[in-house]
Amino acid sequence: DIQMTQSPSSLSASVGDTVTITCRASQTIDSYLNWYQQRPGTAPKLLIYAASSLRSGVPSRFSGSGSGTEFTLTITTLQPEDFAIYYCQQSSSNLPYTFGQGTKLES
Amino acid sequence: QVQLQESGPGLVKPSETLSLTCTVSGGSISSSSYYWGWIRQPPGKGLEWIGSIYFTGNTYYNPSLKSRVTMSVDTSKNQFSLNLSSVTAADTALYYCARRLYPLGYMDVWGKGTTVTVSS
Repeated sequence: DIQMTQSPSSLSASVGDTVTITCRASQTIDSYLNWYQQRPGTAPKLLIYAASSLRSGVPSRFSGSGSGTEFTLTITTLQPEDFAIYYCQQSSSNLPYTFGQGTKLES
Repeated sequence: QVQLQESGPGLVKPSETLSLTCTVSGGSISSSSYYWGWIRQPPGKGLEWIGSIYFTGNTYYNPSLKSRVTMSVDTSKNQFSLNLSSVTAADTALYYCARRLYPLGYMDVWGKGTTVTVSS
């Protein structure tokens, strides 16, 4: 299985800050990397797909970058609703699909 | 827009089979662009992909669960299902169904999830 490792596991920030979350894959996954946001008591929500493509309707303060084995999710000008858990997920042809352990963004 | 809704027993006894159904509304399960899958989340933990199924019945399972997992699809009802056999307490989790775009593999529509507890 491809292991996905996120850092940090938790992150403290304030409204208006810019934060970056890193996701590393144990082997190359090209750009088959997706980012999800999970607020308490709700299902994960897709934010970014194919490493850097912003899903329609997702605010432009969210951005993704990277390829191969190292990827980042950046959130600029944090809003109150952005405090949540973020997961990366690899969707290469190398099954099974795997998720990072999650990064809890808290105020 | 497409919506997914999980249904099934919330309590399953150890060694028995967990059975869940996901009903797709607002779109056809027979779309050539999508796979339909299951993901679970144990209490307080992260996400685990269980497997996916295409409307033709083609399946992909997580090798860690493959010996116990069966998925099926009913295009006439716009539903797909998960059976997980020989469950233990480790299978207690929030189970989500989700739509997965082929071939990029991201999951863009999720159900709200259903909690399944394995206990006698």
